[in-house]
Amino acid sequence: DTEVTQTPKHLVMGMTNKKSLKCEQHMGHRAMYWYKQKAKKPPELMFVYSYEKLSINESVPSRFSPECPNSSLLNLHLHALQPEDSALYLCASSQEWGWAEQFFGPGTRLTVL
Amino acid sequence: GQQVMQIPQYQHVQEGEDFTTYCNSSTTLSNIQWYKQRPGGHPVFLIQLVKSGEVKKQKRLTFQFGEAKKNSSLHITATQTTDVGTYFCAGHMNRDDKIIFGKGTRLHILP
Repeated sequence: DTEVTQTPKHLVMGMTNKKSLKCEQHMGHRAMYWYKQKAKKPPELMFVYSYEKLSINESVPSRFSPECPNSSLLNLHLHALQPEDSALYLCASSQEWGWAEQFFGPGTRLTVL
Repeated sequence: GQQVMQIPQYQHVQEGEDFTTYCNSSTTLSNIQWYKQRPGGHPVFLIQLVKSGEVKKQKRLTFQFGEAKKNSSLHITATQTTDVGTYFCAGHMNRDDKIIFGKGTRLHILP
């Protein structure tokens, strides 16, 4: 299994809603990432988990809350989002934190109304 | 902050023509990676270059890493419609640093 899966594919939520994005990989990778990508822009790093511990938080607002329940799963909890948070949210994983190539999931297309 | 500059932003080529995208960093990079993102898709890893002056080929794609490890290029020979997409370079300043993406070059093929 050489893929990263993400659910849901699409999500529409109001500014008062609470929702979660899920990411899963079964490649034995020890680093997992959340990225935000706006249209026609590069992926923007949000969080990095290495060996299930949060290693990097790129000054992301607290309305985004990551969680790594185990080495295969990564969640992103969303609460009180703003319309400008609408974007494609990409999960990625790599063998280790550092140079290793990153495998990206298909992403969740989020729309905040 | 640390940046990896990538040009051009857009490129339209006739099918069969060659295409090149360039990345430049103001500081030395420890490595450079290249990703391709098809329209509506997600980034897919193409290759990693680590050594100064390194050149790697994948069929019609040629990747170079500059001698000073500050620049890199991706050259596609005889483009095909399947080459459509956005090509991102991404590098690390140090091995333990986060990856930094260039802004990408969007390639459009004219039939």
